[in-house]
Formats: sequence, C-alpha cells, structure tokens
Amino acid sequence: DAGVIQSPRHEVTEMGQEVTLRCKPISGHDYLFWYRQTMMRGLELLIYFNNNVPIDDSGMPEDRFSAKMPNASFSTLKIQPSEPRDSAVYFCASTNTGFGYTFGSGTRLTVV
Amino acid sequence: GESVGLHLPTLSVQEGDNSIINCAYSNSASDYFIWYKQESGKGPQFIIDIRSNMDKRQGQRVTVLLNKTVKHLSLQIAATQPGDSAVYFCAENKRGGNTPLVFGKGTRLSVIA
Repeated sequence: DAGVIQSPRHEVTEMGQEVTLRCKPISGHDYLFWYRQTMMRGLELLIYFNNNVPIDDSGMPEDRFSAKMPNASFSTLKIQPSEPRDSAVYFCASTNTGFGYTFGSGTRLTVV
Repeated sequence: GESVGLHLPTLSVQEGDNSIINCAYSNSASDYFIWYKQESGKGPQFIIDIRSNMDKRQGQRVTVLLNKTVKHLSLQIAATQPGDSAVYFCAENKRGGNTPLVFGKGTRLSVIA
C-alpha cells in the first residue's frame, strides 16, 4: 500500500486566493482526519470523517475553511479566501476503527 | 512585534545511550495511547501503542510504560541512534469510540554522535 497520499507537497499562494488540498486515504480505512501543524499551536485537529460523513468540524477555524469527502478514496480541504495566518503544514490521516492513525507526508502551505 | 513559537522540550542524548521521553495525559477516561515520531519534513509515524489494561509494552528497541494512577506515559529508546533524532508525540483516546486522538505538544530528541 502506498500509504496516505497528499497533494501538493508544497503550495505557495497569494492572500485572497483559493487553495485546495487533496488527500487519498489508505484503502479500507473508514476514518479520515485533517490536521494542521504550526509552531505556535502544534498539531490541531480540524475535521474528521467516518465512512465519508463529517463527524466533527469544530476545529475548523473559520467559514473560510471547508472539507469534503465525496467518496471513500478522496477528500479535499479548501481555504477561500486564504490569509497569511493560514500558513502551516496540513496533514491528512486515516485509520480503521480503534487503531493508530497513518499520516500522509503533509502539504506545506505558504500564503504571502 | 516579536513572535513566540512553540518551545518544545528538548532531550539531548549521546549516541548509544538510552533515552526516556515522558508525557502526561489529561483524560482519565482514555484507554488507548500511542507514541509517534516525526522527522523533519515528514508526517508523524506510528511507533508503538498500549492499551490501558497493560502497564508495559515492548517493541524493537522501544518500550512504552503506562502509569494510570498518575496519568503518565513514557517512551524508552534503547541504544539511541542518530536516526532517532526527531520530535516525539504521545497521543490518547478512547479506543473503539468516536473520539479522535488528542496529541501532546511533543518532545524534540537530539542524538549527539
């Protein structure tokens, strides 16, 4: 298995632009998580899905952030409009119920 | 103004020595605990886990100890190697439930060759 696949690895965008981050979880995993990691706040949970259904989005910082999981093999995290304070590394992780998470390599987002 | 970053605790260890990384968890209802390793530029990687019905579990060169009385978790790395240099996170949740893992702030391990 190729593991959790995230794209792009790096994204540099201008303030106000829309940014879309992508994630392909491990096949057969029924949970998918989006995390954000910054020096200031560490690793924060943004939202998670179970069987493609959003369960808890209370970690999404603002309405500018949205996430979808149209099928079991794909999820997106969208920021519109982006702001410099959104600069961070965004991780996607997946798991089967009750087991440890497998993380992707992350997307490093820089908003200038 | 001056920005303040997340100052991670740092542990410096001589190559070949044993390392002990500690973690205090918060939720007494947690029954599943995991240690992750994050190398620079990579995502967190699973190292070892332990359930609350155990107080010790061993892997290859790693041992996790759980003290539920004081809500303390530790990771011991034997014969520490340069490749062990990374940030280590503990995480907790209620296994089998719908609550996601809660991650600690992390400890940076630096191995001195």
